Amino acid sequence: DTGVSQDPRHKITKRGQNVTFRCDPISEHNRLYWYRQTLGQGPEFLTYFQNEAQLEKSRLLSDRFSAERPKGSFSTLEIQRTEQGDSAMYLCASSLREVPGNEQFFGPGTRLTVL
Amino acid sequence: AQSVTQPDIHITVSEGASLELRCNYSYGATPYLFWYVQSPGQGLQLLLKYFSGDTLVQGIKGFEAEFKRSQSSFNLRKPSVHWSDAAEYFCAVAYNQGGKLIFGQGTELSVKP
Repeated sequence: DTGVSQDPRHKITKRGQNVTFRCDPISEHNRLYWYRQTLGQGPEFLTYFQNEAQLEKSRLLSDRFSAERPKGSFSTLEIQRTEQGDSAMYLCASSLREVPGNEQFFGPGTRLTVL
Repeated sequence: AQSVTQPDIHITVSEGASLELRCNYSYGATPYLFWYVQSPGQGLQLLLKYFSGDTLVQGIKGFEAEFKRSQSSFNLRKPSVHWSDAAEYFCAVAYNQGGKLIFGQGTELSVKP
């Protein structure tokens, strides 16, 4: 078990471009979460999946953001027409629904810089 | 709105001294409570969690936390800090099994030799 992995680790893009991030959860985990963390702040929830179903989306997730988990395994987060305010660390976490307390395991994150 | 408050943005302690990081949450029901640590360039690592039972919970790396319902608090403690404990510490709550985590803004810990 290699833990939660995210790709890429760093992404620099120009304003207006589209970007896509990938998250591979721990293999047997049925829940997958996306968070965003800006400098000096704690992570903020964006969305989560149970298997392939997207169960909750934050109001932070504007219509420029879309997330998928097509086969209930890996997930992608796409940001269209990026803005400088999208610059942040994007964190992915996974968990096993059946575990009491639902501990979430986090990946190393993808740091996005929008120029 | 549900929220988590970590009143101390930055704390400096001497190596070997005791540590207490404060966390308060706002909600009527007892949430699931977590402490995570984040070192530079590293992902968030769970130190400990509380969801029921004994209100004093033990975690990894010698950390413990105590849930106090009357104070809506879940403070993190360590009796003797090591230089390697320097990092950012986040308190988080979840209000249902499997739900999103709501994080505090974090406390940055510096350790003096």
